[in-house]
Amino acid sequence: GQQLNQSPQSMFIQEGEDVSMNCTSSSIFNTWLWYKQDPGEGPVLLIALYKAGELTSNGRLTAQFGITRKDSFLNISASIPSDVGIYFCAGQVNNNDMRFGAGTRLTVKP
Amino acid sequence: DGGITQSPKYLFRKEGQNVTLSCEQNLNHDAMYWYRQDPGQGLRLIYYSQIVNDFQKGDIAEGYSVSREKKESFPLTVTSAQKNPTAFYLCASSMGQDNQPQHFGDGTRLSIL
Repeated sequence: GQQLNQSPQSMFIQEGEDVSMNCTSSSIFNTWLWYKQDPGEGPVLLIALYKAGELTSNGRLTAQFGITRKDSFLNISASIPSDVGIYFCAGQVNNNDMRFGAGTRLTVKP
Repeated sequence: DGGITQSPKYLFRKEGQNVTLSCEQNLNHDAMYWYRQDPGQGLRLIYYSQIVNDFQKGDIAEGYSVSREKKESFPLTVTSAQKNPTAFYLCASSMGQDNQPQHFGDGTRLSIL
């Protein structure tokens, strides 16, 4: 099945900087999800988006469900060292059909 | 604590051997899933189960088998037919209704001896 196009693949930023990453697809999704994965651990859900155009925040994280339903972005403001990890987007058509991006590896330099 | 427990954390397989990965959840979720994660790739669905005693193949089911005899448990067997089994395996569960997000266990890393 088709996976999502997630960019950038990796980012190296200074502590305190803002970060932006996005996912695009040629398919329409009903739900967009953003997960964070630490090395050797499972992905942890950060934000879930359920409506086109929806903008949702979770602390320093903000994500938007694209108006075309084919894309989503995640912003992290004022990054800190513990933001290090791999961020995955996921688009969900229904309960049994969820597609994942390849991940954005974030490195934060103190 | 409610959650999804995968075991073992690390597993080694010999040539021609079948191995079974455990996944248990106490979230009372109806649906459970198995994914395979390879470096630089998105998660790929192996099998999923919506209810007890029922399961469906995902995108990469060849060389794998599952069972769902209890709501809480969804073990994955990596058979000798899977020629490239080295990967990180993730189990997930959800309430089973549309648009409900999946929650993941901490994974099992399988390697070949």
